[in-house]
Amino acid sequence: NAGVTQTPKFRILKIGQSMTLQCTQDMNHNYMYWYRQDPGMGLKLIYYSVGAGITDKGEVPNGYNVSRSTTEDFPLRLELAAPSQTSVYFCASSFGQRHTEAFFGQGTRLTVV
Amino acid sequence: GQQLNQSPQSMFIQEGEDVSMNCTSSSIFNTWLWYKQEPGEGPVLLIALYKAGELTSNGRLTAQFGITRKDSFLNISASIPSDVGIYFCAGRLQGGSEKLVFGKGTKLTVNP
Repeated sequence: NAGVTQTPKFRILKIGQSMTLQCTQDMNHNYMYWYRQDPGMGLKLIYYSVGAGITDKGEVPNGYNVSRSTTEDFPLRLELAAPSQTSVYFCASSFGQRHTEAFFGQGTRLTVV
Repeated sequence: GQQLNQSPQSMFIQEGEDVSMNCTSSSIFNTWLWYKQEPGEGPVLLIALYKAGELTSNGRLTAQFGITRKDSFLNISASIPSDVGIYFCAGRLQGGSEKLVFGKGTKLTVNP
């Protein structure tokens, strides 16, 4: 049982480049989330989705885009990378409203130089 | 955005000691979750709480959902070296929001 899988694990981007962080889950969870974690800080919600075709902004959505075309996949897109987006990104999923336990992937460490 | 105040920020304890950490907020939550994160890994769920006053254990870990629904605590009894890590509280706000808000974490160091 793979759970939540994120790729890549590490990436270095130049300012202005774009990339997509991949996230897939095999638990048939409805809800999926993207968080970023800066050093010494908790996790801040970027975007979330309550089901295929539905996405919504979290606390820090600027500079990111998401899509949810299938239940399994929830990619996060950075269009014009900036140094402020250097962070560790975590994807998570949960069954839904009554089952809020979110299970996390192992993270993607992104550096923008 | 909504804030969870988690304390203490860090703890340095001796093996065998008990540990207590808590999260508070000015907002009401209908779910409290406690996670542990080890270096290079994603957070791992330890305990989930859904009712005010609920007290739940997971081995040496015990967590409670505060009666006011604005706080939660996590206790670890008889700490061992593998308890080292960062512990996060997370909560889902009352009102139907699907957002899960995280505290800034408590970094635990256990000296053998």
